[in-house]
Amino acid sequence: AQKITQTQPGMFVQEKEAVTLDCTYDTSDQSYGLFWYKQPSSGEMIFLIYQGSYDEQNATEGRYSLNFQKARKSANLVISASQLGDSAMYFCAIPRNLIFGKGTKLSVKP
Amino acid sequence: DAGITQSPRHKVTETGTPVTLRCHQTENHRYMYWYRQDPGHGLRLIHYSYGVKDTDKGEVSDGYSVSRSKTEDFLLTLESATSSQTSVYFCAISDFSDRGKTSWNTGELFFGEGSRLTVL
Repeated sequence: AQKITQTQPGMFVQEKEAVTLDCTYDTSDQSYGLFWYKQPSSGEMIFLIYQGSYDEQNATEGRYSLNFQKARKSANLVISASQLGDSAMYFCAIPRNLIFGKGTKLSVKP
Repeated sequence: DAGITQSPRHKVTETGTPVTLRCHQTENHRYMYWYRQDPGHGLRLIHYSYGVKDTDKGEVSDGYSVSRSKTEDFLLTLESATSSQTSVYFCAISDFSDRGKTSWNTGELFFGEGSRLTVL
């Protein structure tokens, strides 16, 4: 069955440090798009970053980047220079395959 | 921002009563989804639609039905609400072109703001 695994239910990081959130996935498709979403305590789902399976370079969006290892089916999110506003739930997803991870709760400490 | 609205945003109801949640989009996206979010479970797909009158079940469809009579509206109905259906419900939309190495939409999901349902 296709699924996404986020092995870290919760994580802490010190403000201004970098943090990596893990995501591994299982899909039989060769062509797919992988997304990361952020959900702050206010509840809305915010798109962060996208990686296409055929993209040769790892995606980057400001302080967010993906460590995409297609052969290992891994797409870890790296947040550099953490800020207090990064405290939130983070979800990894392949929407086209209708799969979502259970999320990682990130807490940034001042 | 994608034009998605959910209604009602908050609802408290009693066990056994019917409940309908509405999702309305102004983006003309083909795909629409209903998810529920519960602590420790992330987002779980209830039902989705890939066109008018075309719907399919997700992983937690028991106790729910959906209808899509127009592109812009996707209704989620709890025929007889139970306490286990207390949750936050998210509607989402997306669009895909045909699969291909270089020419397909990313399939990004755009979410509504969520509807909090409490069944007493």
